[in-house]
Amino acid sequence: QSVLTQPPSVSGAPGQRVTISCTGSRSNIGAGFDVHWYQQLPGTAPKLLIHGDSIRPSGVPDRFSGSKSGTSASLAITGLQAEDEAEYYCQSYDSSLSGSRVFGGGTRLTVL
Amino acid sequence: DVQLVESGGGVVRPGGSLRLSCAASGFTFDDYGMSWVRQVPGKGLEWVSGINWNGDSTFYADSVKGRFTISRDNAKNSLYLQMNSPRVEDTAMYYCAREPTSGWYHFHYSTDWGQGTQVTVSS
Repeated sequence: QSVLTQPPSVSGAPGQRVTISCTGSRSNIGAGFDVHWYQQLPGTAPKLLIHGDSIRPSGVPDRFSGSKSGTSASLAITGLQAEDEAEYYCQSYDSSLSGSRVFGGGTRLTVL
Repeated sequence: DVQLVESGGGVVRPGGSLRLSCAASGFTFDDYGMSWVRQVPGKGLEWVSGINWNGDSTFYADSVKGRFTISRDNAKNSLYLQMNSPRVEDTAMYYCAREPTSGWYHFHYSTDWGQGTQVTVSS
């Protein structure tokens, strides 16, 4: 059971917009700690997609955006492309767990 | 380009020991903190350990505290994870990852990741 809760799967057709939620609590996202997002393509290592809730590293397309409100965060992907099919993970810090980085359980995005 | 190459994985018996290494290149190694993150095949990510730029500050997940030791050799541009008394539940792919600053902070993130080395704990 992950501290941060993500839907196991989402799907969308090419060109559509999808969102992936990451739900936490008052000891992590709700306490104001930053949320970060990673993309993991099949058989590869994770890649940083968003940091500091909504900041895209250089090279990440602006089709990817992040937001946060209350105890939840979201990753939005617009103009869905076949190459976006991957696993997506959120990450934050939880002050109740001996001070620990925590990840969501991951969301599998399928491009129909 | 940043390159992180892990090695040292393999099959180890419960209660044995194993040392993972991560060779870094393409950046000034001692300007950055580093982390180890693991992933059980088909499952999610779990942060394992972190270290600041000079090794003075180290951090561990509760699940490995007292059994694993993170260290670095800046002269060799290398990061290590000494795994003592491994358990079956430590079986996973272990990734080496770079931090965005010289420190290591729980609220930070990993900017670059290696391809991982597989560790299997089995009798």
